Amino acid sequence: EAAVTQSPRNKVTVTGGNVTLSCRQTNSHNYMYWYRQDTGHGLRLIHYSYGAGNLQIGDVPDGYKATRTTQEDFFLLLELASPSQTSLYFCASSEGGCERLFFGHGTKLSVL
Amino acid sequence: AQKVTQTQTSISVMEKTTVTMDCVYETQDSSYFLFWYKQTASGEIVFLIRQDSYKKENATVGHYSLNFQKPKSSIGLIITATQIEDSAVYFCAMREVSSGSWQLIFGSGTQLTVMP
Repeated sequence: EAAVTQSPRNKVTVTGGNVTLSCRQTNSHNYMYWYRQDTGHGLRLIHYSYGAGNLQIGDVPDGYKATRTTQEDFFLLLELASPSQTSLYFCASSEGGCERLFFGHGTKLSVL
Repeated sequence: AQKVTQTQTSISVMEKTTVTMDCVYETQDSSYFLFWYKQTASGEIVFLIRQDSYKKENATVGHYSLNFQKPKSSIGLIITATQIEDSAVYFCAMREVSSGSWQLIFGSGTQLTVMP
């Protein structure tokens, strides 16, 4: 079973703070994704990547940067965090663009 | 633009009965993939079942099956012989093929409660 590990599991920061969420997958998947989950909205795609050095913009990219340093590692950066970014963040990976997603356990971020 | 809609916010059923969760989608693409995922109370999200748009047969995996009605842009999830542990939030999702974006768009989810 594919393994996707997110860190940290919980994070609290203040408005204007700098936050990095990390994601590592160990199944050599090409595709990795960052989603945010908010009540009433389901899962919304922030950024995704289909390989090291590649970055694609999702549906809600404003205020977020992402970087795919290796095939295994995908980072989500919030350089000036705002309370509207308080959310549950999920990282996921897939072998191909049309294949099932494997999700991490999520990171709960609170911006005060 | 693609869109996925789940109008049922929550459903409650008795254990061992059959439940159907609705999902409708919008797409201009002639080829697409439809998925159902389950999110447990612990927050874990797992893949359940998939339907490819070009396949006429409804997908079935264990006690999960799909009711794919392409003319109606509808993909219902059917759970037979429900169990307490089926209580979760169920998400429908779609991925278009020809748009080239490889984005998976999710619906807002349906909370299923299975009662003893």
